[in-house]
Amino acid sequence: LAKTTQPISMDSYEGQEVNITCSHNNIATNDYITWYQQFPSQGPRFIIQGYKTKVTNEVASLFIPADRKSSTLSLPRVSLSDTAVYYCLVGAMFSGGYNKLIFGAGTRLAVHP
Amino acid sequence: DTGVSQDPRHKITKRGQNVTFRCDPISEHNRLYWYRQTLGQGPEFLTYFQNEAQLEKSRLLSDRFSAERPKGSFSTLEIQRTEQGDSAMYLCASSPARPGLAGVPNEQFFGPGTRLTVL
Repeated sequence: LAKTTQPISMDSYEGQEVNITCSHNNIATNDYITWYQQFPSQGPRFIIQGYKTKVTNEVASLFIPADRKSSTLSLPRVSLSDTAVYYCLVGAMFSGGYNKLIFGAGTRLAVHP
Repeated sequence: DTGVSQDPRHKITKRGQNVTFRCDPISEHNRLYWYRQTLGQGPEFLTYFQNEAQLEKSRLLSDRFSAERPKGSFSTLEIQRTEQGDSAMYLCASSPARPGLAGVPNEQFFGPGTRLTVL
């Protein structure tokens, strides 16, 4: 699976937009980009997934440039409850009929009042 | 609550003791995964079941670790002769079978985890 690089930590304030960028220079043609969120003492939770261009759901937007060597998770108007660790994962869909997730260390986002 | 459940949520044991954790996946999910997470790190894959068949085991899963899913529903993870290095959060996740459906979210549903402390 492609290795990902993302900032170790970020700080923001309530109401601001937060953009977390992930680098994945060795992404393969079959790879999708997936983001998970994890609160303390909880399991990770799926946020969003994309292959190219832009994907938006009720929680976040995911921007993927044409070369797909990076992606940006955008969280609009964050609140204190968005304080969490955010993981960027890259991997092929259903290779071998399943897909184990390979997590890096993630980005610790702290939202301040 | 129809999410993934894990029991116990916390376990403190002494080195050398055996421990067993249980995971109940979402009922219609036939795929079940175990991960381990240490402080400050992301989860690491341990093993995967499709129904009752254990299809992959990570090299992290030493001989002291064994996982089962006897009827293709709940799963257990046992650690024998625990060591202090086994202290971690053990996470279970499940997902439905969606073969060949490109573009479907790569989503696994995680439980709350079992935090193991080995003294």
